[in-house]
Amino acid sequence: DTEVTQTPKHLVMGMTNKKSLKCEQHMGHRAMYWYKQKAKKPPELMFVYSYEKLSINESVPSRFSPECPNSSLLNLHLHALQPEDSALYLCASSQGHGKGANVLTFGAGSRLTVL
Amino acid sequence: AQTVTQSQPEMSVQEAETVTLSCTYDTSESNYYLFWYKQPPSRQMILVIRQEAYKQQNATENRFSVNFQKAAKSFSLKISDSQLGDTAMYFCAFMKQNNAGNMLTFGGGTRLMVKP
Repeated sequence: DTEVTQTPKHLVMGMTNKKSLKCEQHMGHRAMYWYKQKAKKPPELMFVYSYEKLSINESVPSRFSPECPNSSLLNLHLHALQPEDSALYLCASSQGHGKGANVLTFGAGSRLTVL
Repeated sequence: AQTVTQSQPEMSVQEAETVTLSCTYDTSESNYYLFWYKQPPSRQMILVIRQEAYKQQNATENRFSVNFQKAAKSFSLKISDSQLGDTAMYFCAFMKQNNAGNMLTFGGGTRLMVKP
């Protein structure tokens, strides 16, 4: 299995809703990432988990809450979002160390619309 | 901080011809990696090619090759024998490694259209 699977593909939510994005990989990767991509813009790093510990938080607002329950799974919990948070959210993974550690494998993304 | 610049927002090429996408970057790091990623309309970011900064030899992957000029901080992508399936957004990316994780910094992207 060489894939990163993201669910749901599309999500529409109101500003008072609580929802979650899910990311799963079974490649034995020990680093996982969340990126945010606005339309016609490059992806921007949000969070990095390394060996299931949060290692990088790029000053992301607290209405985004990441969680890494195990080495294969990464969640992004969403609460009280704003319409400007509407974007494509990309998950990626890479080996934790060694030669393959610098190659990120991306999922197809979750398209989020906040009304 | 690293910056990555792609000066061509859009390009087009005829099928079977060759096209070169430009990328420049700015860094004070000596050890780093450079990548080209492709994002077709399906949205998934796909790795096209990568280059280790310490290697002088330019990377190649089938129809894709790079021209890496470390002193000039330039990293262009050449696509030979362009195919319709090459139509996509192409992102140049820089990675430095640290103990906290591998941070990719992307350029603004070049939208490539391959015409039949």
